Amino acid sequence: GAGVSQSPSNKVTEKGKDVELRCDPISGHTALYWYRQRLGQGLEFLIYFQGNSAPDKSGLPSDRFSAERTGESVSTLTIQRTQQEDSAVYLCASSLRQIWDTQYFGPGTRLTVL
Amino acid sequence: AQSVTQLDSQVPVFEEAPVELRCNYSSSVSVYLFWYVQYPNQGLQLLLKYLSGSTLVKGINGFEAEFNKSQTSFHLRKPSVHISDTAEYFCAVRKETSGSRLTFGEGTQLTVNP
Repeated sequence: GAGVSQSPSNKVTEKGKDVELRCDPISGHTALYWYRQRLGQGLEFLIYFQGNSAPDKSGLPSDRFSAERTGESVSTLTIQRTQQEDSAVYLCASSLRQIWDTQYFGPGTRLTVL
Repeated sequence: AQSVTQLDSQVPVFEEAPVELRCNYSSSVSVYLFWYVQYPNQGLQLLLKYLSGSTLVKGINGFEAEFNKSQTSFHLRKPSVHISDTAEYFCAVRKETSGSRLTFGEGTQLTVNP
């Protein structure tokens, strides 16, 4: 079946603009995660959804970052007033439920803030 | 505090040589351990995971890892590598107390030379 998809694959924006990144999880997966991967670094956890609620959003770096999810489907990560330090690859993952289940990752969105 | 340490940022080896990629973690609670691989221009893919039971875990593509609780390590090994194993490898930990989030190491770039 189809894997996790993300769009756009690449996004270049100017400092101060808002951006929206989209994630389509694997059908039937109730858990969804967002991570950020800065150049040369590991992945940083941002937020976790179970269904459309977010029990853990402790990884969001500032109030410029927000995310929402529609039911057990699409999620959108929004970054307002982008800064150069927001440049990174943003990865989405989904899993069947949580805890025991493997997280399947999408290909990521490469965000470049000029 | 860093929870996952990958001791080598780059590991160059020749084809058909054995390889070990090292991973150490810090935690005072039970953990679940994972190795992911990221091939060039592709998303993260699960190689193997340790949840419980036998400490020697076998994964895809001939890789295996051993959970050593006393040394808080989860090193990844392959007895004979191929050029196609060239990729970035990430060790990740899920703590019993941290819900579903994964904490990743900074990655090890494995380069297999002919």
